Amino acid sequence: QVQLIQSGAEVKKPGASVKVSCKVSGNTLTDLSMHWVRQAPGKGLEWMGGFDPFHNEKIYAEKLQGRVTLTEDTNTETAFMELSSLTSEDTAIYYCTIDLFTVMDVWGKGTTVTVSS
Amino acid sequence: AIQLTQSPSSLSASVGDTVTITCRASQDITSAVAWFQQKPRNVPKVLIYDASRLESGVPSRFSGSGSGTEFTLTISGLQPEDFATYYCQQFKTYPRTFGQGTEVEIK
Repeated sequence: QVQLIQSGAEVKKPGASVKVSCKVSGNTLTDLSMHWVRQAPGKGLEWMGGFDPFHNEKIYAEKLQGRVTLTEDTNTETAFMELSSLTSEDTAIYYCTIDLFTVMDVWGKGTTVTVSS
Repeated sequence: AIQLTQSPSSLSASVGDTVTITCRASQDITSAVAWFQQKPRNVPKVLIYDASRLESGVPSRFSGSGSGTEFTLTISGLQPEDFATYYCQQFKTYPRTFGQGTEVEIK
């Protein structure tokens, strides 16, 4: 059974960066198409970026271009999402999710990131 | 980026009702649509993929249809546990995009 285990909640000041981790259990990270989705309080789901297997590249949401970076450590089967130049509008729950058998059918439990001075 | 517009934004319904949610895409996305359910303080859960394929374990009262630019999610015989927010998502092209969500409330 594939599980995605996310890192704990973070509190950051405006202008700082945050790095959220997502460890894959039960599969190999390089075999998976992983995405990151966030949800601000009371708002909808926002796709941030992910791996496009057809073009073998990472794609980022235009709105977050230049601020978000997705990386992986294959030794520990862990994916990372780093978001820089944080503002209060980045306060949200951040999820990692994978297309395992269908579409975004496995999700991490989410990591709450709070940006506050 | 492809825009997805859901309607309505919210609706009130009673247990046993049949409800339909529409998702319109800004361009042809063939059948590359998934539908998600999210309950408060919970992780989203995929219900439908490829516009009409039921995810394993999802009750058959959920169904999806459509192709091209217009898609629908239908819940036939609403149950108490179905009160939630529903999102469509397109995976035809990157960046992937979600609709803004439809909240299904108890009347």
